[in-house]
Amino acid sequence: DIQLTQSPSSLSASLGARVTITCRASQDISTYLAWYQHKPGKVPKILIYTASTRQSGVPSRFSGGGFGTDFTLTINSLQPEDVATYYCLKYDGVPRTFGQGTKVEIK
Amino acid sequence: QLQESGPGRVNPSETLAVTCSVSGGSLRSSSYFWSWIRQSPGKGLEWIGNVYYNGRTDYNASLQSRATISLDTSKNEFSLSLTSVTVADTAVYFCARTIDAYVMVPLDIWGQGTLVTVS
Repeated sequence: DIQLTQSPSSLSASLGARVTITCRASQDISTYLAWYQHKPGKVPKILIYTASTRQSGVPSRFSGGGFGTDFTLTINSLQPEDVATYYCLKYDGVPRTFGQGTKVEIK
Repeated sequence: QLQESGPGRVNPSETLAVTCSVSGGSLRSSSYFWSWIRQSPGKGLEWIGNVYYNGRTDYNASLQSRATISLDTSKNEFSLSLTSVTVADTAVYFCARTIDAYVMVPLDIWGQGTLVTVS
C-alpha cells in the first residue's frame, strides 16, 4: 500500500506568517491528493483537491501544490481561525490513506 | 446533509453498528459514493471503507474483514457493521460523501460524527 508521510507533525508560527506543510507519498499518485482542516470538536473540512484546486468557499490564503510524490499545503498570512490539525489524503485508489496530521498553533 | 446515529457504547467482542442518514441527495445516484472514517482518541483520521450506488464496497484491509458497509436506498441510509470489537475500536465514527464525477472531490461533506466507546 502507498504510505503518506506528513511533516512537520506540529508547528507554531506567528500571526501573519507563511506556513508550509508537506506530504510525501511512497509512490506516484499523480494529483490525487486532498487536504483537510480539522478543528477540535468540529467536522473535518476539505480545503484542496487534485493537489491544487481550492474548494469553493475556502479562503485564498490556502494553496496547494505538487505532483507525483511530493505535495505542499501553504497558508499565507496565518490567522487565529487557522489553528487546527491538517491532514493530507490520497485517493488514487484503495485503500484511501490519510497522512498522520500536522497540528498548527499560534506562537 | 449527513447524520450519524450509533449505540454510544458496545461491549468488547460484540458488533458495533452505526448508520448514516442522507438528506438532500440520493444514494441511488452514480454521481456520489459514500464512506466511513473514524478517529480514535488522540489519533488521526482512518479510512474504513466506501459503498457505491450499486452496492459495491471497498474496505481497509487493516480491519481484517471485520467491517461491512451496506446501503438501504428505501431509507436513504448507509450503515457500518464492525464485528468482534475491542477497546481499540473506540472512536468517533464519521460518514462522508465523495463526488464521483469527471473530477472527483473526495469527502466533501461530512456528518457530525458519533462517538462509540467499547467497554
